[in-house]
Amino acid sequence: GDSVTQMEGPVTLSEEAFLTINCTYTATGYPSLFWYVQYPGEGLQLLLKATKADDKGSNKGFEATYRKETTSFHLEKGSVQVSDSAVYFCALVDTGRRALTFGSGTRLQVQP
Amino acid sequence: DAGVIQSPRHEVTEMGQEVTLRCKPISGHDYLFWYRQTMMRGLELLIYFNNNVPIDDSGMPEDRFSAKMPNASFSTLKIQPSEPRDSAVYFCASSPGQGPSPLQNGEFFGPGTRLTVL
Repeated sequence: GDSVTQMEGPVTLSEEAFLTINCTYTATGYPSLFWYVQYPGEGLQLLLKATKADDKGSNKGFEATYRKETTSFHLEKGSVQVSDSAVYFCALVDTGRRALTFGSGTRLQVQP
Repeated sequence: DAGVIQSPRHEVTEMGQEVTLRCKPISGHDYLFWYRQTMMRGLELLIYFNNNVPIDDSGMPEDRFSAKMPNASFSTLKIQPSEPRDSAVYFCASSPGQGPSPLQNGEFFGPGTRLTVL
């Protein structure tokens, strides 16, 4: 079945550091890929998405590229801020399915 | 748009009591999802509806859990009787259902209900 694997957290960075959160997936069809962010005490918010191979999703300085050859969708940001501290979830929806499959989440802590 | 609305935001109850969680999806969205989030198990899909009809309830943990969607603007998740291990944050999410790949827009989550069963 479908699955999403994320790097273990927490990831602790200093402000203005470069961020990478790894995400790899397994799917039987042609999935769409997503990154969600969850700030403390809130629900998940869609951060960015990519619907086909080689697409790049971007939002708020975050980027992720859909790599079919490596089945990956790594999240990157060139310069993180304290306000980026949150839990980040990678997710996919496969062809013919109707619900997202989520990874386990990666907690990011950015220190001033 | 008001987004997905959930109530209550916090619920504290005693073991054995009935708990009802409520959700109002975004207007016009055809899909509604219920999730449970815990530290131990992460984010789990419990059940989802399409056009008010339950499609997949394989994630519902036990017969103590039930969900209904009597109309397009309202859904409930009920736990009867509740147990301490049901303590979690319960999220409702909705998604538009149009087009060949209806979930390409992702799901829109509510703020969640934090349930504590003593």
